[in-house]
Amino acid sequence: DVKVTQSSRYLVKRTGEKVFLECVQDMDHENMFWYRQDPGLGLRLIYFSYDVKMKEKGDIPEGYSVSREKKERFSLILESASTNQTSMYLCASSLDQGARGYTFGSGTRLTVV
Amino acid sequence: GEDVEQSLFLSVREGDSSVINCTYTDSSSTYLYWYKQEPGAGLQLLTYIFSNMDMKQDQRLTVLLNKKDKHLSLRIADTQTGDSAIYFCAESWGYQKVTFGIGTKLQVIP
Repeated sequence: DVKVTQSSRYLVKRTGEKVFLECVQDMDHENMFWYRQDPGLGLRLIYFSYDVKMKEKGDIPEGYSVSREKKERFSLILESASTNQTSMYLCASSLDQGARGYTFGSGTRLTVV
Repeated sequence: GEDVEQSLFLSVREGDSSVINCTYTDSSSTYLYWYKQEPGAGLQLLTYIFSNMDMKQDQRLTVLLNKKDKHLSLRIADTQTGDSAIYFCAESWGYQKVTFGIGTKLQVIP
């Protein structure tokens, strides 16, 4: 079964900490995405990558960075976590231009205290 | 900018049909999607339709697209309690660009 795996289901971090969220896919997909999901706001795109070492800003990149050193792995980095970054974070991947849709991971619920 | 709108909540009785509606603004949409999210989980792709199609059927799911009115619907026949979830409409309107609606919570009453 093809998979997108996010390393943590739940995470609690302190304000100011540097936080790494990891995502790995086993489908040899070119494209990978990071979204955050908040009640009433739906899914908002943070960053995406269409190739190794390539990255593009999404709609809300402020306070985040990403790393894609290998095709299967896409990391989201919160440089200095803040309470307004408490959210559900969803990683996704897609083949080609994503016409057949995305495959999502199970999500990481991050709480910043 | 691009926008996808859905109603927030739908309640149906087990065994009835559910119809979840969505409107979108971008007339250049190429694909439209329905995703399902169960509690505590990520989104699961249910089905998608190319913009030059009017209808797509897949077992209990029927997708209808009215391109003139920019309206997409998902019909679930014989709704079961396991169908209780949040359903997201999404459109793709360019290279790797996808816009999601905020989701419709479907409650199935036994």
